[in-house]
Amino acid sequence: AQSVTQLGSHVSVSEGALVLLRCNYSSSVPPYLFWYVQYPNQGLQLLLKYTSAATLVKGINGFEAEFKKSETSFHLTKPSAHMSDAAEYFCAVSENTGRRALTFGSGTRLQVQP
Amino acid sequence: GAGVSQSPSNKVTEKGKDVELRCDPISGHTALYWYRQRLGQGLEFLIYFQGNSAPDKSGLPSDRFSAERTGESVSTLTIQRTQQEDSAVYLCASSLRLADTQYFGPGTRLTVL
Repeated sequence: AQSVTQLGSHVSVSEGALVLLRCNYSSSVPPYLFWYVQYPNQGLQLLLKYTSAATLVKGINGFEAEFKKSETSFHLTKPSAHMSDAAEYFCAVSENTGRRALTFGSGTRLQVQP
Repeated sequence: GAGVSQSPSNKVTEKGKDVELRCDPISGHTALYWYRQRLGQGLEFLIYFQGNSAPDKSGLPSDRFSAERTGESVSTLTIQRTQQEDSAVYLCASSLRLADTQYFGPGTRLTVL
């Protein structure tokens, strides 16, 4: 069984500040890990994914995430927040075989203050 | 090219009525997934298709839920005798193959009164 925990349902940062969104997972097999972003009234958009290659994954819009097996974490970071980053962010895990269905965390809503 | 589309975008129905939700995946994508997103929660997997077959229906919440896919294209999620707890956003995703990135549609917001 897999699960994802996102710490903090709401995170608020100032424009230009570091963004850190936390994600911890559990999986009985080596996982594939994803971050998706959902802008208001839009569908989910893939930010980045980890599929057992490099542990530091770079995504779109300046985001990156680091897979840390020892900590079972896959935190999302961005050095400098922009107003347009305000959205809801979902961490997800999938098995690396079979149906590949995604198991999502409950999401973190990011607010960016001017 | 066109992304995943879903219709209707919003559906309001009365308790006890049946509803059909439609998903048009990206052309050529063999895998198709349905998820449900309840208010304030993450997405919950419902069912997936590989081609036209659904090998695993264990994620469906009850026997009131069913889904089909034809022509390795359009999929329909049907909810019979809707209940208030069925109110949610239903999202569809498709991928080229099972191992590939899932691309999501905008969802159908279902409200059961």
